[in-house]
Amino acid sequence: GAGVSQSPRYKVAKRGQDVALRCDPISGHVSLFWYQQALGQGPEFLTYFQNEAQLDKSGLPSDRFFAERPEGSVSTLKIQRTQQEDSAVYLCASSHRAQGEQFFGPGTRLTVL
Amino acid sequence: QQQVKQSPQSLIVQKGGISIINCAYENTAFDYFPWYQQFPGKGPALLIAIRPDVSEKKEGRFTISFNKSAKQFSLHIMDSQPGDSATYFCAASMYQLSGAQKLVFGQGTRLTINP
Repeated sequence: GAGVSQSPRYKVAKRGQDVALRCDPISGHVSLFWYQQALGQGPEFLTYFQNEAQLDKSGLPSDRFFAERPEGSVSTLKIQRTQQEDSAVYLCASSHRAQGEQFFGPGTRLTVL
Repeated sequence: QQQVKQSPQSLIVQKGGISIINCAYENTAFDYFPWYQQFPGKGPALLIAIRPDVSEKKEGRFTISFNKSAKQFSLHIMDSQPGDSATYFCAASMYQLSGAQKLVFGQGTRLTINP
């Protein structure tokens, strides 16, 4: 079956631009996570959704980062006024239940010039 | 207290050898310890996981050894193959009020298996 998909796979933005990154979780998965992976580092938690409810956003680095999942399926991570330090791979993961195995997408590599 | 420290940063092993990657943690509230495998251009994939009520778990060529008193755990890959060449991440998580399994990852180990 289809896994987690993310789009775009690559995004280049000029400093100050807004970007939107999309995640399509595995069908039926109620839990959705966003992680940020800097070059050569492990992923770091950003935020968590249970269906459409954002239950944990403790990892979002600033108020320029915003995530939504309005219908409990597709999720969008938006970064406003991008900065060079936002350059990273943004990973989305979904799981059938909150404590279940997380299945990761391929990520979106964001480069801010 | 939320950190998970992983070593070595990179590892080269001959085909057929044993690859060993180590992790250490500080937060005793962690209760789930997975290992992930990541190939270039792909997301991490769960390899094997353990909970602190057991000291060892084996799945095929992959074994996790867990030392609760030392707050350390390790991944052993037996009979290492070139196809095992990838980056490996240890992780840890604990119960969250939100119900989520919020993973804390180590820094990663780039493993190369020479043919």
